[in-house]
Amino acid sequence: GESVGLHLPTLSVQEGDNSIINCAYSNSASDYFIWYKQESGKGPQFIIDIRSNMDKRQGQRVTVLLNKTVKHLSLQIAATQPGDSAVYFCAESYTGANSKLTFGKGITLSVRP
Amino acid sequence: DAGITQSPRHKVTETGTPVTLRCHQTENHRYMYWYRQDPGHGLRLIHYSYGVKDTDKGEVSDGYSVSRSKTEDFLLTLESATSSQTSVYFCAIAGNNEQFFGPGTRLTVL
Repeated sequence: GESVGLHLPTLSVQEGDNSIINCAYSNSASDYFIWYKQESGKGPQFIIDIRSNMDKRQGQRVTVLLNKTVKHLSLQIAATQPGDSAVYFCAESYTGANSKLTFGKGITLSVRP
Repeated sequence: DAGITQSPRHKVTETGTPVTLRCHQTENHRYMYWYRQDPGHGLRLIHYSYGVKDTDKGEVSDGYSVSRSKTEDFLLTLESATSSQTSVYFCAIAGNNEQFFGPGTRLTVL
């Protein structure tokens, strides 16, 4: 719920601008990565995923970039909208989403009208 | 929400009482998970199941037990609730290489 966003870093962007949310992951053996969006009072919602044999994947208005050398993942949101305001989590696993996921702590995205 | 329900959605209980949370899915997926979410900690895995009667511990399993007697139901039990178990609990299922989350249960232990 609302308490999810407490104590998290916040990214504030202007409506219509592009957003970039970054995540550092911990396990060099991880081969599957997911971005989730969580709105207040709801469960996390899948946005996009990427496997370690790729360095970029595009969805609708979102792009995920993976840099395995520095263990870094980013989520780019094009033309950010007020409905994009939420907490965003990256997650990593070994062998896919059926395996245990390890989540980052999350970042709050706030879109200014 | 990909056919996942959780019950109850909200519960207030007292320290020392047993509590059971239920996760129910209609997707017939093999894998099910229980997470807890606390401010500043993200989601942490409590227990998971990879089939009926097959379960394993996650990173924060102390004080929790689970049971899976049929594919569609995964129960999380707090044997003797403590205030540190006040949290929001999420169930998830995995299928088609995606994990889908339920709506959550907010548990308060007084």
